[in-house]
Amino acid sequence: KQEVTQIPAALSVPEGENLVLNCSFTDSAIYNLQWFRQDPGKGLTSLLLIQSSQREQTSGRLNASLDKSSGRSTLYIAASQPGDSATYLCAVPMNSGYSTLTFGKGTMLLVSP
Amino acid sequence: DAGVIQSPRHEVTEMGQEVTLRCKPISGHDYLFWYRQTMMRGLELLIYFNNNVPIDDSGMPEDRFSAKMPNASFSTLKIQPSEPRDSAVYFCASSFEGEAFFGQGTRLTVV
Repeated sequence: KQEVTQIPAALSVPEGENLVLNCSFTDSAIYNLQWFRQDPGKGLTSLLLIQSSQREQTSGRLNASLDKSSGRSTLYIAASQPGDSATYLCAVPMNSGYSTLTFGKGTMLLVSP
Repeated sequence: DAGVIQSPRHEVTEMGQEVTLRCKPISGHDYLFWYRQTMMRGLELLIYFNNNVPIDDSGMPEDRFSAKMPNASFSTLKIQPSEPRDSAVYFCASSFEGEAFFGQGTRLTVV
């Protein structure tokens, strides 16, 4: 059974810092990996999708990397802003033809002005 | 596309009542998922459909929960009878080629 772990569970940084969120998964037979953002009381917003054949994806100040062999992904946020404050979740579907997503419990990020 | 649309956004009901949550997936997506989120357990997959066919309902907590997808543009999650421990945020998501998009969720409170 796939298990996804996110470290740290919570992170508080001052505005302007670069930061890294970590995600690890136990079964490397993944189809892709997706990073989401969730604001309090809201749904999940897709941030980045990395296909299993890719090593990284970038969107603005966000960069996500994927190392399938070690079962790890990182989300790098450059020059953090208070508006980045949210919970960040990573999710992986299995590479079995099905598309069920397994989620980590998320990293709660607080960026203070 | 307007994204995944869920209704209602909030539902407050009394214990024992029937609750029906609705979802309209993104057009063209071939998978639909129902998740439940609580502080204690995080996001839990309840059931998912592929091309309107239920594939895995092992996450459905009890027989009180049922889900249907009568066509590609509509799904329901029903709880009958509802109990206070069912209080949670229920999310519907749809995906195509492994990329998932979530609705805004239905916050269910059973009193």
